[in-house]
Amino acid sequence: EVQLVESGGGLVQPGGSLRLSCVASGFSFTRSAMSWVRQAPGKGLEWVSATNWNGDTTYHGHSVKGRFTISRDNSKSAIYLQMNSLGVDDTAIYYCARAEGWSIVGTTPYLDHWGQGTLVTVSS
Amino acid sequence: QSVLTQSPSVSGTPGQRVTISCSGSSSNIGSNTVNWYQHLPGTAPRLLIYSDDQRPSGVPDRFSGSKSGTSASLAISGLQSEDEADYYCATWDNPLNGVEFGGGTKLTVL
Repeated sequence: EVQLVESGGGLVQPGGSLRLSCVASGFSFTRSAMSWVRQAPGKGLEWVSATNWNGDTTYHGHSVKGRFTISRDNSKSAIYLQMNSLGVDDTAIYYCARAEGWSIVGTTPYLDHWGQGTLVTVSS
Repeated sequence: QSVLTQSPSVSGTPGQRVTISCSGSSSNIGSNTVNWYQHLPGTAPRLLIYSDDQRPSGVPDRFSGSKSGTSASLAISGLQSEDEADYYCATWDNPLNGVEFGGGTKLTVL
């Protein structure tokens, strides 16, 4: 059974930093691209970041570029999201997901397995 | 402000067929595949359709996807109360170089 378990969320002040983790099991993690998606209160889903299978290719959404960094440790079957310069607009539930169909021209990566999410609240 | 446009809401009665549309442009839907997700607030989103019209295993065939030009659609037939949820389209946007979600459509089963 595929399992994705996020952790690291919590309350942080504006301008602060936080590091989220996602530990995976039940599939071949070292062959899988992974992604972070978030949902702010009352808003829709927003794609945040993604990494290919070995971490040498990463993508970040325009609203987090330059502030967030995705990384992975295949020895621990884990991905991370380092979030810096946090603002109130970053308040959201952050979901970890497996991304299939990566690096195929014309194919949008699809997120076929998701974690339950971890809540990040940015507030003073 | 998403580059993909979805109607904010749609409704139907049990057993009815409803469609949810997603409108984009030549730089996203027009040149990349579309995926659809179902999301009940407080739970993990669920992949319904990938690569325009493919259903993952476990997704009922009541759900179907299609695409024409710069628009895509999700159809749900034989509507059930458990289908009440938010539905999102998603596609790669070439200029933004990333995945873009539509704003979401709230489906209400009357």
